[in-house]
Amino acid sequence: AQTVTQSQPEMSVQEAETVTLSCTYDTSESDYYLFWYKQPPSRQMILVIRQEAYKQQNATENRFSVNFQKAAKSFSLKISDSQLGDAAMYFCAYRSPLSQKLVFGQGTRLTINP
Amino acid sequence: ETGVTQTPRHLVMGMTNKKSLKCEQHLGHNAMYWYKQSAKKPLELMFVYSLEERVENNSVPSRFSPECPNSSHLFLHLHTLQPEDSALYLCASSQELGTFNTEAFFGQGTRLTVV
Repeated sequence: AQTVTQSQPEMSVQEAETVTLSCTYDTSESDYYLFWYKQPPSRQMILVIRQEAYKQQNATENRFSVNFQKAAKSFSLKISDSQLGDAAMYFCAYRSPLSQKLVFGQGTRLTINP
Repeated sequence: ETGVTQTPRHLVMGMTNKKSLKCEQHLGHNAMYWYKQSAKKPLELMFVYSLEERVENNSVPSRFSPECPNSSHLFLHLHTLQPEDSALYLCASSQELGTFNTEAFFGQGTRLTVV
């Protein structure tokens, strides 16, 4: 079974600075999907960015980018120019192409200091 | 305005009560999910419905009973719950396209407290 590990329960960063959230996963599959979701106090999980394992190029969405290291099974999220609205719980998730099931990590609580 | 709406937002119920959680998606998706989010634990998938048919049940106790009357609505019927069932229950939907699915879109959850 696949597992996802986020080793940083909490992180904090100064506004306008850059922060990187870590995620590692374990799988025997060669093709899969990886996601970062954000959960603000409103509780709604919002997709931040996705990565297909067959793509070598790292995904980027505006201030959000990932560092996908397939051999190391690592999928970190970099947030540039951090804003107060980025404060939330961030979850890394894995999905097999053969399943609708998302496997989530434990989450990282990100605090933005003004 | 979210594409996935859950009601109620908060629910307090006794262990002998029967209640239902409701989820409605306005995105035209064909798959819907129930997840449980407990404190200090990763989100756990409970049920998956694809084209209104249950395709996954992750060893969930029978005191949780899902229902999917159509592709836009999903219910979770609750009865004789235990205090450890207190959690945030999240509904999600996605569009299945063969072996490729769109990402899951989530509702804001129902915060359930069992007393």
